[in-house]
Amino acid sequence: DTEVTQTPKHLVMGMTNKKSLKCEQHMGHRAMYWYKQKAKKPPELMFVYSYEKLSINESVPSRFSPECPNSSLLNLHLHALQPEDSALYLCASRLDRSYNEQFFGPGTRLTVL
Amino acid sequence: QKEVEQNSGPLSVPEGAIASLNCTYSDRGSQSFFWYRQYSGKSPELIMSIYSNGDKEDGRFTAQLNKASQYVSLLIRDSQPSDSATYLCAVRNYGGSQGNLIFGKGTKLSVKP
Repeated sequence: DTEVTQTPKHLVMGMTNKKSLKCEQHMGHRAMYWYKQKAKKPPELMFVYSYEKLSINESVPSRFSPECPNSSLLNLHLHALQPEDSALYLCASRLDRSYNEQFFGPGTRLTVL
Repeated sequence: QKEVEQNSGPLSVPEGAIASLNCTYSDRGSQSFFWYRQYSGKSPELIMSIYSNGDKEDGRFTAQLNKASQYVSLLIRDSQPSDSATYLCAVRNYGGSQGNLIFGKGTKLSVKP
């Protein structure tokens, strides 16, 4: 298994909803990432988990809450989002500190109404 | 502020020609460089990584790195319409931890039949 999976593929939510994005990999990778990508812009780093511990939080608003329940799973909990949070949310993983190549999942297209 | 610069394009080449994509980076200490291809509405796909000065070839793709000039390029030989996409140059951020990537804004490539 050499891929990163993400669910759901598309999500539409209201500003008062609570939803979660899920990311999974079974490659034994120990670093996992959440990125946000707006149209015609490069991916923008949100969070990094290394060996299941949060190591980087790029000043992301608290309405985004990451969780890493185990080495294969990464969640992003969403609450009270704003329309400007509509974007493609990308999960990525990397083997460990010694390996540089980072692989992306297919993304979740989020629309906040 | 560490930066990765790319021409946004669009770069238009005829089918069968060589497409040349360029990238410069500001952090002289950077050691790891990547090219991702991103089709519209899809997630970035890793197509090349390069760590040493010189050329690295993989099929129709050649990555070139010149650390002295802080320059990395991607050549696509025998360009096909299916190569039409945005190409993102990424550099591993050694100033931070956990191998997060700094992306350029991407170059949009259009291959005309």
